[in-house]
Amino acid sequence: EAGVTQSPTHLIKTRGQQATLRCSPISGHTSVYWYQQALGLGLQFLLWYDEGEERNRGNFPPRFSGRQFPNYSSELNVNALELEDSALYLCASTKLDEQFFGPGTRLTVL
Amino acid sequence: GDSVTQMEGPVTLSEEACLTINCTYTATGYPSLFWYVQYPGEGLQLLLKATKADDKGSNKGFEATYRKETTSFHLEKGSVQVSDSAVYFCALSGRAGGTSYGKLTFGQGTILTVHP
Repeated sequence: EAGVTQSPTHLIKTRGQQATLRCSPISGHTSVYWYQQALGLGLQFLLWYDEGEERNRGNFPPRFSGRQFPNYSSELNVNALELEDSALYLCASTKLDEQFFGPGTRLTVL
Repeated sequence: GDSVTQMEGPVTLSEEACLTINCTYTATGYPSLFWYVQYPGEGLQLLLKATKADDKGSNKGFEATYRKETTSFHLEKGSVQVSDSAVYFCALSGRAGGTSYGKLTFGQGTILTVHP
């Protein structure tokens, strides 16, 4: 069974630009979660999508947004990038209480 | 709101030493508790979990017991190996009435380094 996949692996942007990150959940999983792992700040919950709807949102500004497609894959968009957005962005899909994580996208904002 | 407080590291041990990483939590309802491990350059992998009080999760020689009375979920291993070197995260998924809230709340992470 294929795991959660994310693309791209690395992304380099400059301040003010927009970044788009993609995630494909495990087949049969309908929920996708996004987390930010910034250096020294641990893992912070960003967004939760289930059945195409945004179900919950963490304490992040509105320039962090996303969507979930009919095939349950998901996209995270970060507008007006700031230096502090540099982080590893992890996507996870769920089966019951367990969340299965992808390898992450490393976003660097210069 | 929910929170997880994890023993700060880094922790450095010699091979075959005993490991304990402390984790305490604050949550409403009856959360599920998890330990995740992150090896260098990789994403998170579920190490073990417990879904109710007094449950013991175990995997790869690691164990943790869900202690509701002390709101704790300490990770233990009797004899660590060099290959156990990684970052360990304690996490909870809040629940109420059996319904998962979905998101995981993580502790700060503990870096474990095991020397030969």
